[in-house]
Amino acid sequence: QMQLQESGPGLVKPSETLSLTCTVSGGSMNTYHWGWIRQPPGKGLEWIGDVRFSGATFYNPSLKSRVTIYLDMSKKQFSLKLTSVTAADTAVYYCGRRTTVAGGWFDTWGLGTLVTVYS
Amino acid sequence: DIQLTQSPSFLSASVGDRVTITCRASQGINSYLAWYQQKPGKAPRLLIYAASTLQSGVPSRFSGSGSGTEFTLTISSLQPEDFATYYCQQLYSYPLTFGGGTQVEIK
Repeated sequence: QMQLQESGPGLVKPSETLSLTCTVSGGSMNTYHWGWIRQPPGKGLEWIGDVRFSGATFYNPSLKSRVTIYLDMSKKQFSLKLTSVTAADTAVYYCGRRTTVAGGWFDTWGLGTLVTVYS
Repeated sequence: DIQLTQSPSFLSASVGDRVTITCRASQGINSYLAWYQQKPGKAPRLLIYAASTLQSGVPSRFSGSGSGTEFTLTISSLQPEDFATYYCQQLYSYPLTFGGGTQVEIK
């Protein structure tokens, strides 16, 4: 059974870059799409972006100018970079596996990692 | 962007109750809707995909219906482990969006 695990710094300073990695175990990456979702404390879920197994990326326009997601199937990882962070980027960040059918859903999630932007 | 409006945002119910949560989309999304359950401090868990298909391992008391702009998640007989927050998500077009959530609490 495939498992996902987020890793990266838990604290980031304002204006710096948030970098997280999701490591995939227990299966092949090239039959799924991959995504990042975040959840500010006490609030709802926000989709950040997807990377397809082809490498194509799709981002939330609200973050598009600041976000990059990239895939490294040789390491069985995909990563998130979010630049110029502010306190509004404080959230639990989840990575997720998305099925490739039309309207594919997120069927497997990492445990999540809390990232706090502090000064 | 497609907006998803969930109602109610908060629901108080008893064990054994039948519970229905509604998710309305601002435009038609065919059946490209998923439902997730989230417990405090945990990652969301997929319950229903393609509006009405039960994810493997999810109890049969959960069911989903709808297409187009109106969808429902029904729990036929609420169990203690079902007290959680439920989210819908549309997967019809980018950007993917979530509903605001429905918190189900014990009466």
